[in-house]
Amino acid sequence: QSALTQPASVSGSPGQSITISCSGTSSDVGSYNLVSWYQQHPGKAPKLMIYEVSKRPSGVSNRFSGSKSGNTASLTISGLQAEDEADYYCCSYAGSSTFGRVFGTGTKVTVL
Amino acid sequence: QVQLVQSGAEVKKPGSSVKVSCKASGGTFSSYAISWVRQAPGQGLEWMGGIIPMFGTANYAQKFQGRVTITADESTSTAYMELSSLRSEDTAFYYCARDTIAVASFDHWGQGTLVTVSS
Repeated sequence: QSALTQPASVSGSPGQSITISCSGTSSDVGSYNLVSWYQQHPGKAPKLMIYEVSKRPSGVSNRFSGSKSGNTASLTISGLQAEDEADYYCCSYAGSSTFGRVFGTGTKVTVL
Repeated sequence: QVQLVQSGAEVKKPGSSVKVSCKASGGTFSSYAISWVRQAPGQGLEWMGGIIPMFGTANYAQKFQGRVTITADESTSTAYMELSSLRSEDTAFYYCARDTIAVASFDHWGQGTLVTVSS
């Protein structure tokens, strides 16, 4: 199972909106509405930000939103803030077993 | 609240094995799955495999088949990940995560365990 493809880096100024893409195939992203997104600050464990493509766990800011079209999922961060600077990873269910998961390559978000 | 606490850092020789533990508290251990995810220094996340403690059977990513064993002890609410035939490329942080299978997401994570493989 190959990793999902994300841009290596995305940047934006405070207050702006940015979108991170996550490109998969018809075997993973395209077949299931089971895409999740994780935020990881340096030296910290990842944190769940979005699940089932567009749902936010309790406590996650509504500035974070997710969507999907075909084999590509997207994470949008609106009203960019300094604390949003981190690495972001998408993850999709990929079938083949109860668990089968595949992560994206990761995107470094920089707040200018 | 749910907490996952992992065992401490390890330094291992090439060819040896390592076993990392992940103790859960604050939730119903058997009702969820536990997955293991690793991250090499400066690299991305990589799913290794998972287990549903209630059933005891584990699934593994093809890349790690034959080298990784994931187990769970319901009596102590602890999951384990053992990786054998270690090589330098296995140097990484290893994370356990609570896995909500129905929505295929990891909602709680351990703090990570650094495994260093060096001669």
